[in-house]
Formats: sequence, C-alpha cells, structure tokens
Amino acid sequence: GAGVSQSPRYKVAKRGQDVALRCDPISGHVSLFWYQQALGQGPEFLTYFQNEAQLDKSGLPSDRFFAERPEGSVSTLKIQRTQQEDSAVYLCASSSTGFSGNTIYFGEGSWLTVV
Amino acid sequence: AQRVTQPEKLLSVFKGAPVELKCNYSYSGSPELFWYVQYSRQRLQLLLRHISRESIKGFTADLNKGETSFHLKKPFAQEEDSAMYYCALSPDAGKSTFGDGTTLTVKP
Repeated sequence: GAGVSQSPRYKVAKRGQDVALRCDPISGHVSLFWYQQALGQGPEFLTYFQNEAQLDKSGLPSDRFFAERPEGSVSTLKIQRTQQEDSAVYLCASSSTGFSGNTIYFGEGSWLTVV
Repeated sequence: AQRVTQPEKLLSVFKGAPVELKCNYSYSGSPELFWYVQYSRQRLQLLLRHISRESIKGFTADLNKGETSFHLKKPFAQEEDSAMYYCALSPDAGKSTFGDGTTLTVKP
C-alpha cells in the first residue's frame, strides 16, 4: 500500500494562528513518530506513540505543541499560537513494531511557514 | 546525553572516486546506528543500519566503538549517489537522534 502520508504538504500561517498537521501512517504500523526539521539541520525528535499511547513527548518544545493518536492510527500534531520559530518541516514516521532497530518509514513532511 | 556529529556539511567527489561520509556519536550505552539518505525531492529513507552489517547500493558502514564512529563508505562513487545523508542513533525503540547531514555531490 501507500507509504506514510502527511497533510497539508505546505502551510502558511500568520503568527498567532493555530495549525493542525495530519499523519496517516502505513496501515498496521504500531509506532508513530513526529520530528521537526529546521532549515539546514537534521530532524529533531518531538514525540512518539505506540498504538494510541504517547510514550515519549520529551521533544515537544513548549506547551503550545500537542499531539494525539486517539485510535492508534492517524495522528495529528497541533501547534497553538504559532510563532516564527515554529517554521520548519514537520516529519511523521512509522514503523511496524515497537522494537529498537526496526525500519522507520518517513512521510514527505509538512512544510510550515509562519509569517 | 546522546549526540550525533557529522563534521562535513558538504562533500564533493568525482565519479569513480572513493567517498567517506563521517559520523561520530556520543552515547554511554550500546546504540543502534543508522544511515538515512534523502534524494532530491524524495522522502528520507533508510540506507543501512549497523546491526544488519549489510551493503546497500555499494555503501558500507562499520561501527567503531573505540572511536565512537560510524562512517559511511563507498569505493566508487556514482552520480546517482548525490544526495543528503544523515547519520542517526537510536538507543531504544523510541526516538532517534540525527546529525545535521552531509550533502554529497558526485561530479561527472
């Protein structure tokens, strides 16, 4: 089937607006990850789900960032009151199991620009 | 704290020349190490992982625990190898820590 799908691909938000980014993982994948990638840098971990449980949210930069995966499939990353420093590519990834070393499949990313 | 360092932002070689992309890490335990590649206008994808000791597209990487390095090597670079390469460390099933990437350009 299809790979990890993210929407919207591109989003321009005015400073202070709320945004929601969606991730459809590969069907049946247990683990789901969100990463933030600023220009010229590598992806930085935001949060990790195993099924519907959010096991690690240590990378969320502030309480304006919130992620959920209520039914253990689709996930949404929400950013409230966006700031210019939130401008980045937001990458979603999934893997079939919760085991270390398992292949992680990335989506194409959602490019967020805050103006 | 875990950290991955890729000292070269840009690397340029001629077709047929050997190429080595450097990666150094800091982690107190025994991590899983990976190389990811991103070709132009494509998504990030796994190239290889140290645990499987495989060779993908002619690339190999050896984990050197003494030097805490996981350099990526290919004896004869091809133009289609031009891409962004990221080294990553994953201590457990959760988060991975990525380096800032090296852009490889293989000139004809």
